[in-house]
Amino acid sequence: LAKTTQPISMDSYEGQEVNITCSHNNIATNDYITWYQQFPSQGPRFIIQGYKTKVTNEVASLFIPADRKSSTLSLPRVSLSDTAVYYCLVGDPASGGSYIPTFGRGTSLIVHP
Amino acid sequence: DTGVSQNPRHKITKRGQNVTFRCDPISEHNRLYWYRQTLGQGPEFLTYFQNEAQLEKSRLLSDRFSAERPKGSFSTLEIQRTEQGDSAMYLCASSLTGNGDGYTFGSGTRLTVV
Repeated sequence: LAKTTQPISMDSYEGQEVNITCSHNNIATNDYITWYQQFPSQGPRFIIQGYKTKVTNEVASLFIPADRKSSTLSLPRVSLSDTAVYYCLVGDPASGGSYIPTFGRGTSLIVHP
Repeated sequence: DTGVSQNPRHKITKRGQNVTFRCDPISEHNRLYWYRQTLGQGPEFLTYFQNEAQLEKSRLLSDRFSAERPKGSFSTLEIQRTEQGDSAMYLCASSLTGNGDGYTFGSGTRLTVV
C-alpha cells in the first residue's frame, strides 16, 4: 500500500478556502486517491475520490498533478462545521476485492470564527 | 435504509469480561469491515467479510478478537477477556463490491475497560 503523508493539523477562519495536501510518492498506476472526513464520535465519511487532474463535487475539489505523487483537497469557504479530521487514502478500488481503506493519522482542521 | 447501525454506542466493562458488538450494514452492501480507533489515531483495519465469508482476519489484534457474519447480513465482533488496552472506538463499515467511494461507516461503539 502506498504510504501517505499529511500535515498533522491546520487552522483556518470562517469563509476562507482551505487546501490540505497529501504526499504519496509511491502511488501505483492503478491507485485512486480518496479523502474522508471524520467528526468526533462519528465514523469517517467519504468526501471525494479521484485518479488524475481535477475532480469537483458539491463539497470539495481534489487536485492531482500529472505525476500523481501528491494531491490537494480544497474546501471552499469553510465554516465552523468543517472542523474535523481529514484523511487521505490511496489504493486500487478495482483490485479484485482486496482494496481495504487504510487510514493514517489524518489532518486535524480547526476553523475559527 | 438508515445507514450502518452499530450497537451498543457505548460499553463499559470490567477487565477480564467478554464483550460483543453488533453491526448492521446497509442492506444491499455485501462487504463489511471492522476497524478500531484509539484517541488521536486513524481507524485501524481489523477484518472484513464478503457476504458471510471472512476474507481477511490476519490483522485481528490477538486471538481474543473474533468476528462473525453468519448469514451475510449483520456482523458481531467479540473480545474475550478484555484488557484495559482494548479501550477504543470500534467502527464498522460496509460497501458494495469495494469500489473505493462507497464505504459507509457507522458511528461506532466506544468501549471502556475498567
